[in-house]
Amino acid sequence: AQSVTQPDIHITVSEGASLELRCNYSYGATPYLFWYVQSPGQGLQLLLKYFSGDTLVQGIKGFEAEFKRSQSSFNLRKPSVHWSDAAEYFCAVVPTNDYKLSFGAGTTVTVRA
Amino acid sequence: KAGVTQTPRYLIKTRGQQVTLSCSPISGHRSVSWYQQTPGQGLQFLFEYFSETQRNKGNFPGRFSGRQFSNSRSEMNVSTLELGDSALYLCASSPLGRENTGELFFGEGSRLTVL
Repeated sequence: AQSVTQPDIHITVSEGASLELRCNYSYGATPYLFWYVQSPGQGLQLLLKYFSGDTLVQGIKGFEAEFKRSQSSFNLRKPSVHWSDAAEYFCAVVPTNDYKLSFGAGTTVTVRA
Repeated sequence: KAGVTQTPRYLIKTRGQQVTLSCSPISGHRSVSWYQQTPGQGLQFLFEYFSETQRNKGNFPGRFSGRQFSNSRSEMNVSTLELGDSALYLCASSPLGRENTGELFFGEGSRLTVL
């Protein structure tokens, strides 16, 4: 079945430390890939997207993601987290033959001082 | 440019009632999508409208319906409310044309509580 998986439900990281959030997808053809962030009480905001081309994608707020076709993964990274990065992060996909954006279950990031 | 506006932000209903939620997309955006967000099921796609036509629908019962007006504003309606309909309902708009590449701009949502 087609799916997008975020293996980590919750991650705690110290301020200033690096962060990596995992995302794996299961689709016949490589879908369009996205990371969204949702701060408490807010809607979702697009961090970055991958359609094709360079497998390392730069986004807003200092985030980047790397597409690895061999691993069907699209992991999100940030070299040094700030307290304001505490939020829920969603990996999402749009299959190339569909209009529907499907989300993973999300990873909640807690930043400790 | 104003963002996606959803009204009301919070509402409380009782079982069996119906509710209508409204969404005003970013000016110039013609695609509007709706999502339901719950702690148990996460973010689930409800439907998407483009130029007043529903072009995609999720796996929700017929109690959930929507429409889009000529000015791109959209409404969704839930009839015969059930306790399980308690959720954050998110609207998102997109500036793109017929092809949806998933770049969505979300509103802050309407928090529905069903008692």
